[in-house]
Amino acid sequence: EPEVTQTPSHQVTQMGQEVILRCVPISNHLYFYWYRQILGQKVEFLVSFYNNEISEKSEIFDDQFSVERPDGSNFTLKIRSTKLEDSAMYFCASSAGQPTDTQYFGPGTRLTVL
Amino acid sequence: QKEVEQDPGPLSVPEGAIVSLNCTYSNSAFQYFMWYRQYSRKGPELLMYTYSSGNKEDGRFTAQVDKSSKYISLFIRDSQPSDSATYLCAMRSDYKLSFGAGTTVTVRA
Repeated sequence: EPEVTQTPSHQVTQMGQEVILRCVPISNHLYFYWYRQILGQKVEFLVSFYNNEISEKSEIFDDQFSVERPDGSNFTLKIRSTKLEDSAMYFCASSAGQPTDTQYFGPGTRLTVL
Repeated sequence: QKEVEQDPGPLSVPEGAIVSLNCTYSNSAFQYFMWYRQYSRKGPELLMYTYSSGNKEDGRFTAQVDKSSKYISLFIRDSQPSDSATYLCAMRSDYKLSFGAGTTVTVRA
């Protein structure tokens, strides 16, 4: 069964450093998403991406964040200058041909900012 | 008022019991309603997806939506220890999903 994959599973970085989290969505899907979950808190939407542009973003997704689909298979989230409060699980999700189609989630990347 | 409210529990039931979970919401624009299951340090896994008021059944799982009351429920019949997880309600009006806090369920053998 096709699945969303994410790498790395755990990333440790120093405050102020740049990190890139990588995702490979399900191959025929067209809509891509990033969510995050701070430990003990709810899953929060960050951004949705379709047709090589951002379709919606939350207040959390400020200028420190960017997304890219560099090669037709990967979907990346870059945090330019990490802060302690960026420590969280980051989940990538994808859905098929319509924005209302089911979103399938990857296993997540745990980001720890020291 | 929070957009999606869900009692975080925890909820502990004996094996074979019916698990009852629910969420309330405030945004009338929500049209699609989901229940996800999440194991510790894993990604959410879709269990049920509904877009209209009423009941939807899938095996031991039943999802209920009452749009007039802005209330959704998930029932798990004949619960098993393997059902022990955190259950997240989620809803959407456009691209993004809005999640509840999740209810942690333990099914005791």
